[in-house]
Amino acid sequence: EVQLVESGGGLVQPGGSLRLSCAASGFSVSDNYMSWVRQAPGKGLEWVSVIYTYGRTFSADSVEGRFTISRDSSRNTVFLQMHSLRAEDSATYYCTRDFNWNDAGPAYWGQGALVTVSS
Amino acid sequence: SYELTQPPSVSVSPGQTARITCSGDALPKRNLYWYHQKSGQAPVLLIYDDSKRPSGIPERVSGSSSGTMATLTISGAQEEDEGDYYCYTTDSTGNHRGVFGAGTKVTVL
Repeated sequence: EVQLVESGGGLVQPGGSLRLSCAASGFSVSDNYMSWVRQAPGKGLEWVSVIYTYGRTFSADSVEGRFTISRDSSRNTVFLQMHSLRAEDSATYYCTRDFNWNDAGPAYWGQGALVTVSS
Repeated sequence: SYELTQPPSVSVSPGQTARITCSGDALPKRNLYWYHQKSGQAPVLLIYDDSKRPSGIPERVSGSSSGTMATLTISGAQEEDEGDYYCYTTDSTGNHRGVFGAGTKVTVL
């Protein structure tokens, strides 16, 4: 059974950093395309970043240069390192396992981790 | 930046058919995905590659696409179908930038 469990969310001050983790079970993160999607309170879904099986990554313009997606195959975990956080980054962050082809979308979703950026 | 346009809301009577549209200029060249999100829960995949259903999704849920518009059809609407529906694609081949529509709130009443 595919399971995705996010952790690392919390309250952080503007300009601060935070690293989200997504522990996967039931499959290998290195054999699958993995993404992060976020949702601000009361708002719609926003795609954030993707990492392909061969390591290529892409990020939304809104987080480019501030957020980095990575993975640790030995821990079967995907990460989202977030720097220079802004109030508008406050959201629930979902980890997803995507279909295994370029430009594909999410197939499975975790339950999300809440990030609040506030002083 | 690329955009997908969805109606903000759709209402349907129990047992009737709800249709949710998603339009975008590049849809003829892109694969479209549909997701359903109930209040307080994570989204769930309903349709991928315009019209394919993953296992566990009932046959009364279907997707189609023609030109610049895709449609999600829910037949025999039930209370459990309420929630927000999102379409998704990427903005261009080889430069993966995911794009979600703004979402459509479906009410069954």
